[in-house]
Amino acid sequence: NAGVTQTPKFQVLKTGQSMTLQCAQDMNHEYMSWYRQDPGMGLRLIHYSVGAGITDQGEVPNGYNVSRSTTEDFPLRLLSAAPSQTSVYFCASSSGGGELFFGEGSRLTVL
Amino acid sequence: QKEVEQDPGPLSVPEGAIVSLNCTYSNSAFQYFMWYRQYSRKGPELLMYTYSSGNKEDGRFTAQVDKSSKYISLFIRDSQPSDSATYLCAMSARSSSASKIIFGSGTRLSIRP
Repeated sequence: NAGVTQTPKFQVLKTGQSMTLQCAQDMNHEYMSWYRQDPGMGLRLIHYSVGAGITDQGEVPNGYNVSRSTTEDFPLRLLSAAPSQTSVYFCASSSGGGELFFGEGSRLTVL
Repeated sequence: QKEVEQDPGPLSVPEGAIVSLNCTYSNSAFQYFMWYRQYSRKGPELLMYTYSSGNKEDGRFTAQVDKSSKYISLFIRDSQPSDSATYLCAMSARSSSASKIIFGSGTRLSIRP
């Protein structure tokens, strides 16, 4: 049972490059979200989705795009990477019962 | 002002001690309160989940919610070295499928053998 799968686990980018962090879940959860975690900042919500075709912004959406074409997938796109986007990114999903299931995280470094 | 405030610690206590972790919040619409535990280089995992005010106990863990004071707590009894982790409080206004969940900054806890 895979749960929430994030790829890649590690990535190094140069300033200005674009990339997509992939997130897939096999639990048929409607709710999916992306968080970033920085030292001393906890988890900050970037974008979330309550179902296919529906997305909304969280606390720190600038510089990131999302789409939700299927229930299973919720990719996060960095349009033009900046050093301030160096962070650990977590994808999470939920069936609505209050429990978020997290992936293992994607560690991104922007030089 | 952040919606959820949490003392980042670090907090170091001897094995067997009672640990108290706390969060305050400003949004009176929050009704669902959670505690997540995160081991180093892992994703967070749900530890406790409560709705509205009151207490909830699960083994060595007790979660308390005081909505009148906008204050939540997690107590760990008979703490073990395996409890060493970062603890994050989280809350939302409605069930997670319909609303965003906001996290505190996390408290790093270390249990000394």
